[in-house]
Amino acid sequence: DVKVTQSSRYLVKRTGEKVFLECVQDMDHENMFWYRQDPGLGLRLIYFSYDVKMKEKGDIPEGYSVSREKKERFSLILESASTNQTSMYLCASSFPLAGGANEQFFGPGTRLTVL
Amino acid sequence: GEDVEQSLFLSVREGDSSVINCTYTDSSSTYLYWYKQEPGAGLQLLTYIFSNMDMKQDQRLTVLLNKKDKHLSLRIADTQTGDSAIYFCAEILDAGNMLTFGGGTRLMVKP
Repeated sequence: DVKVTQSSRYLVKRTGEKVFLECVQDMDHENMFWYRQDPGLGLRLIYFSYDVKMKEKGDIPEGYSVSREKKERFSLILESASTNQTSMYLCASSFPLAGGANEQFFGPGTRLTVL
Repeated sequence: GEDVEQSLFLSVREGDSSVINCTYTDSSSTYLYWYKQEPGAGLQLLTYIFSNMDMKQDQRLTVLLNKKDKHLSLRIADTQTGDSAIYFCAEILDAGNMLTFGGGTRLMVKP
């Protein structure tokens, strides 16, 4: 089974702190994604990476950066956490399905609260 | 532009059918997906449909796609309490890797 793990389920940080969210997948997937999930807004893509050291901005990259030094690990960094970054953060990796579709496998999420 | 919309909430009785609807605006969608998120968990892919199909059936799940109206639906037959979850529709455009998600529909199944 594909497994996507995230370093923490719950995290509480203070405004201005630097925050690292780690994601690891064990299926050699090339594509990895970071989303944030907020009630009524669904999932919004922050950044994605299609290879080691490669990254692309998603829909809401402001206030975030990412790092992909190894294929299995994709890190989301909040350089200076703010209260409006309180959210559920979901990591995913993707695998091609038959016919050209993609299946994204999701981690369990990290609920981040910034005080 | 990309926009995927869903209603926020649906309540059904156990044993009834549930129909969750989704509309999208971009006609270049190639694949459309339904994901399920149970409480405290990540998203799990339920099913997907290629844009040149009208219908796909998988056990209790039936996906209907009306490409002309840009409308996607997920029907769950004989809904069970274990089907209570948030359901997200999502689309991928022309050979891309990025999914655009709807806001999610919370399905509540009453015993």
